Amino acid sequence: GAGVSQSPSNKVTEKGKDVELRCDPISGHTALYWYRQSLGQGLEFLIYFQGNSAPDKSGLPSDRFSAERTGGSVSTLTIQRTQQEDSAVYLCASSLASYSNQPQHFGDGTRLSIL
Amino acid sequence: KNEVEQSPQNLTAQEGEFITINCSYSVGISALHWLQQHPGGGIVSLFMLSSGKKKHGRLIATINIQEKHSSLHITASHPRDSAVYICAVLPTQGGSEKLVFGKGTKLTVNP
Repeated sequence: GAGVSQSPSNKVTEKGKDVELRCDPISGHTALYWYRQSLGQGLEFLIYFQGNSAPDKSGLPSDRFSAERTGGSVSTLTIQRTQQEDSAVYLCASSLASYSNQPQHFGDGTRLSIL
Repeated sequence: KNEVEQSPQNLTAQEGEFITINCSYSVGISALHWLQQHPGGGIVSLFMLSSGKKKHGRLIATINIQEKHSSLHITASHPRDSAVYICAVLPTQGGSEKLVFGKGTKLTVNP
Protein backbone atom coordinates (compact mmCIF):
# COMPACT_ATOMS: atom_id res chain seq x y z
CA GLY A 1 0.00 0.00 0.00
CA ALA A 2 0.91 3.67 -0.14
CA GLY A 3 3.28 5.16 2.37
CA VAL A 4 2.94 8.41 4.28
CA SER A 5 2.24 11.21 1.84
CA GLN A 6 3.06 14.87 2.50
CA SER A 7 2.19 17.93 0.47
CA PRO A 8 3.46 20.19 -0.79
CA SER A 9 6.97 18.80 -1.15
CA ASN A 10 8.37 22.32 -1.29
CA LYS A 11 6.90 25.62 -0.17
CA VAL A 12 8.41 29.07 -0.53
CA THR A 13 6.57 31.95 1.06
CA GLU A 14 7.12 35.44 2.34
CA LYS A 15 7.64 36.28 5.97
CA GLY A 16 4.35 37.00 7.70
CA LYS A 17 2.22 34.71 5.53
CA ASP A 18 0.37 31.70 6.86
CA VAL A 19 1.20 28.22 5.55
CA GLU A 20 -0.59 24.91 5.76
CA LEU A 21 1.19 21.58 5.43
CA ARG A 22 -0.66 18.32 4.85
CA CYS A 23 0.02 14.74 5.89
CA ASP A 24 -1.82 11.61 4.73
CA PRO A 25 -0.80 8.76 7.03
CA ILE A 26 -0.78 5.09 6.11
CA SER A 27 -4.32 3.73 6.17
CA GLY A 28 -5.14 2.13 9.51
CA HIS A 29 -2.35 3.89 11.41
CA THR A 30 -3.82 5.46 14.52
CA ALA A 31 -0.73 7.39 15.65
CA LEU A 32 0.54 10.42 13.74
CA TYR A 33 3.58 12.58 14.50
CA TRP A 34 4.93 15.87 13.21
CA TYR A 35 8.66 16.67 13.40
CA ARG A 36 10.86 19.52 12.24
CA GLN A 37 14.41 19.33 10.94
CA SER A 38 16.19 22.66 10.71
CA LEU A 39 19.38 23.06 8.68
CA GLY A 40 22.27 21.52 10.57
CA GLN A 41 20.02 20.48 13.44
CA GLY A 42 18.59 17.17 14.53
CA LEU A 43 14.98 16.14 14.34
CA GLU A 44 12.66 17.91 16.76
CA PHE A 45 9.29 16.60 17.94
CA LEU A 46 6.38 18.96 17.38
CA ILE A 47 3.06 17.20 18.04
CA TYR A 48 1.57 13.74 18.35
CA PHE A 49 -1.97 12.44 17.69
CA GLN A 50 -3.32 9.10 18.85
CA GLY A 51 -6.85 8.18 17.82
CA ASN A 52 -9.43 10.41 19.46
CA SER A 53 -7.24 11.33 22.42
CA ALA A 54 -6.13 14.89 23.05
CA PRO A 55 -2.93 15.53 21.09
CA ASP A 56 0.45 15.97 22.78
CA LYS A 57 1.34 19.53 21.73
CA SER A 58 4.33 19.87 24.02
CA GLY A 59 6.82 20.26 21.17
CA LEU A 60 5.14 23.15 19.35
CA PRO A 61 7.63 26.05 19.50
CA SER A 62 5.09 28.88 19.70
CA ASP A 63 1.39 29.64 19.54
CA ARG A 64 1.83 30.43 15.84
CA PHE A 65 1.96 26.67 15.30
CA SER A 66 -1.16 24.50 15.38
CA ALA A 67 -2.19 21.14 14.01
CA GLU A 68 -5.39 19.25 13.42
CA ARG A 69 -6.22 15.69 12.56
CA THR A 70 -9.63 15.27 11.00
CA GLY A 71 -11.49 11.98 11.19
CA GLY A 72 -8.47 10.25 12.64
CA SER A 73 -6.71 10.34 9.28
CA VAL A 74 -5.37 13.39 7.42
CA SER A 75 -3.49 15.98 9.45
CA THR A 76 -2.64 19.60 8.71
CA LEU A 77 0.09 21.62 10.38
CA THR A 78 -0.53 25.36 10.21
CA ILE A 79 2.06 28.04 10.82
CA GLN A 80 0.69 31.55 11.16
CA ARG A 81 2.65 34.75 10.54
CA THR A 82 5.70 32.80 9.41
CA GLN A 83 9.18 33.90 10.48
CA GLN A 84 12.52 33.14 8.84
CA GLU A 85 13.44 30.78 11.68
CA ASP A 86 10.48 28.60 10.65
CA SER A 87 12.45 27.56 7.55
CA ALA A 88 13.01 23.81 7.90
CA VAL A 89 11.90 20.43 6.62
CA TYR A 90 8.65 19.38 8.28
CA LEU A 91 8.28 15.62 8.52
CA CYS A 92 5.21 13.57 9.28
CA ALA A 93 5.24 9.97 10.48
CA SER A 94 2.58 7.44 11.35
CA SER A 95 2.54 4.15 13.21
CA LEU A 96 0.12 1.33 13.73
CA ALA A 97 -0.41 2.16 17.39
CA SER A 98 1.00 4.39 20.06
CA TYR A 99 3.10 1.68 21.65
CA SER A 100 6.84 1.90 21.98
CA ASN A 101 7.33 -1.29 19.98
CA GLN A 102 5.77 0.03 16.78
CA PRO A 103 8.03 1.47 14.05
CA GLN A 104 7.27 4.88 12.64
CA HIS A 105 6.87 5.33 8.90
CA PHE A 106 8.04 8.70 7.63
CA GLY A 107 6.88 10.82 4.74
CA ASP A 108 9.36 12.59 2.48
CA GLY A 109 8.73 15.90 4.22
CA THR A 110 7.82 19.43 3.18
CA ARG A 111 10.76 21.77 2.69
CA LEU A 112 9.58 25.19 3.87
CA SER A 113 11.54 28.30 2.98
CA ILE A 114 10.57 31.68 4.41
CA LEU A 115 11.91 34.65 2.47
CA LYS B 1 23.63 18.62 27.46
CA ASN B 2 21.67 16.74 24.81
CA GLU B 3 19.83 13.74 26.20
CA VAL B 4 21.01 11.65 23.23
CA GLU B 5 24.63 11.74 22.10
CA GLN B 6 25.91 10.02 18.99
CA SER B 7 29.47 9.31 17.97
CA PRO B 8 31.15 9.83 15.68
CA GLN B 9 29.48 12.82 14.03
CA ASN B 10 31.07 11.94 10.70
CA LEU B 11 32.50 8.66 9.51
CA THR B 12 34.25 7.79 6.25
CA ALA B 13 34.95 4.18 5.39
CA GLN B 14 36.11 2.05 2.48
CA GLU B 15 33.74 -0.42 0.92
CA GLY B 16 33.81 -3.69 2.84
CA GLU B 17 34.76 -2.23 6.20
CA PHE B 18 32.92 -3.00 9.43
CA ILE B 19 31.15 0.11 10.75
CA THR B 20 30.11 0.95 14.30
CA ILE B 21 28.00 3.94 15.30
CA ASN B 22 27.39 4.64 18.96
CA CYS B 23 24.50 6.20 20.86
CA SER B 24 24.46 7.14 24.54
CA TYR B 25 21.51 8.56 26.41
CA SER B 26 20.97 9.96 29.86
CA VAL B 27 17.36 9.14 30.74
CA GLY B 28 15.33 6.02 31.38
CA ILE B 29 13.75 4.79 28.18
CA SER B 30 11.11 2.35 27.02
CA ALA B 31 12.52 2.00 23.50
CA LEU B 32 15.35 3.12 21.25
CA HIS B 33 15.07 3.62 17.49
CA TRP B 34 17.72 3.64 14.81
CA LEU B 35 16.74 5.59 11.69
CA GLN B 36 18.44 6.04 8.32
CA GLN B 37 18.13 9.30 6.41
CA HIS B 38 19.16 9.12 2.77
CA PRO B 39 20.83 12.03 0.98
CA GLY B 40 17.48 12.86 -0.62
CA GLY B 41 15.98 13.33 2.84
CA GLY B 42 13.76 10.26 3.18
CA ILE B 43 13.83 8.58 6.59
CA VAL B 44 13.53 4.85 7.12
CA SER B 45 13.12 3.11 10.46
CA LEU B 46 15.83 0.45 10.78
CA PHE B 47 15.36 -0.94 14.26
CA MET B 48 13.40 -0.54 17.43
CA LEU B 49 15.00 -1.98 20.56
CA SER B 50 14.11 -2.26 24.20
CA SER B 51 16.69 -4.91 25.06
CA GLY B 52 19.32 -7.21 23.58
CA LYS B 53 20.17 -7.35 19.93
CA LYS B 54 18.45 -7.31 16.55
CA LYS B 55 19.80 -8.21 13.12
CA HIS B 56 18.51 -7.39 9.67
CA GLY B 57 20.68 -8.32 6.73
CA ARG B 58 24.07 -6.63 7.21
CA LEU B 59 22.79 -4.41 10.00
CA ILE B 60 23.00 -5.28 13.69
CA ALA B 61 21.73 -3.16 16.58
CA THR B 62 22.50 -3.77 20.22
CA ILE B 63 21.42 -2.05 23.40
CA ASN B 64 22.68 -2.15 26.98
CA ILE B 65 19.95 -0.71 29.17
CA GLN B 66 22.11 -0.61 32.32
CA GLU B 67 24.85 1.36 30.57
CA LYS B 68 22.36 3.49 28.60
CA HIS B 69 24.17 2.73 25.36
CA SER B 70 23.32 1.36 21.94
CA SER B 71 25.43 0.53 18.90
CA LEU B 72 24.57 0.13 15.25
CA HIS B 73 26.91 -2.09 13.26
CA ILE B 74 27.14 -2.46 9.49
CA THR B 75 29.06 -5.45 8.17
CA ALA B 76 30.64 -5.48 4.71
CA SER B 77 29.76 -1.83 4.14
CA HIS B 78 28.74 -0.64 0.68
CA PRO B 79 28.52 2.82 -0.92
CA ARG B 80 24.72 2.54 -0.83
CA ASP B 81 24.98 2.53 3.00
CA SER B 82 26.06 6.19 2.79
CA ALA B 83 23.46 8.11 4.77
CA VAL B 84 22.86 9.83 8.08
CA TYR B 85 22.08 7.39 10.89
CA ILE B 86 19.94 8.77 13.69
CA CYS B 87 19.41 7.39 17.16
CA ALA B 88 16.18 8.31 18.97
CA VAL B 89 14.89 7.34 22.39
CA LEU B 90 11.44 7.19 23.94
CA PRO B 91 11.80 8.40 27.55
CA THR B 92 9.71 6.63 30.15
CA GLN B 93 9.18 9.86 32.08
CA GLY B 94 5.89 11.53 31.29
CA GLY B 95 4.44 8.50 29.56
CA SER B 96 4.32 10.26 26.21
CA GLU B 97 5.29 9.13 22.75
CA LYS B 98 7.71 12.01 22.33
CA LEU B 99 10.90 10.75 20.69
CA VAL B 100 14.15 12.53 21.56
CA PHE B 101 16.67 12.47 18.73
CA GLY B 102 20.42 12.47 18.47
CA LYS B 103 22.02 14.78 15.92
CA GLY B 104 22.94 11.92 13.63
CA THR B 105 26.09 10.31 12.28
CA LYS B 106 26.93 11.01 8.66
CA LEU B 107 28.40 7.90 7.06
CA THR B 108 30.21 7.97 3.74
CA VAL B 109 31.33 4.67 2.25
CA ASN B 110 33.77 5.03 -0.62
CA PRO B 111 34.11 2.39 -3.35
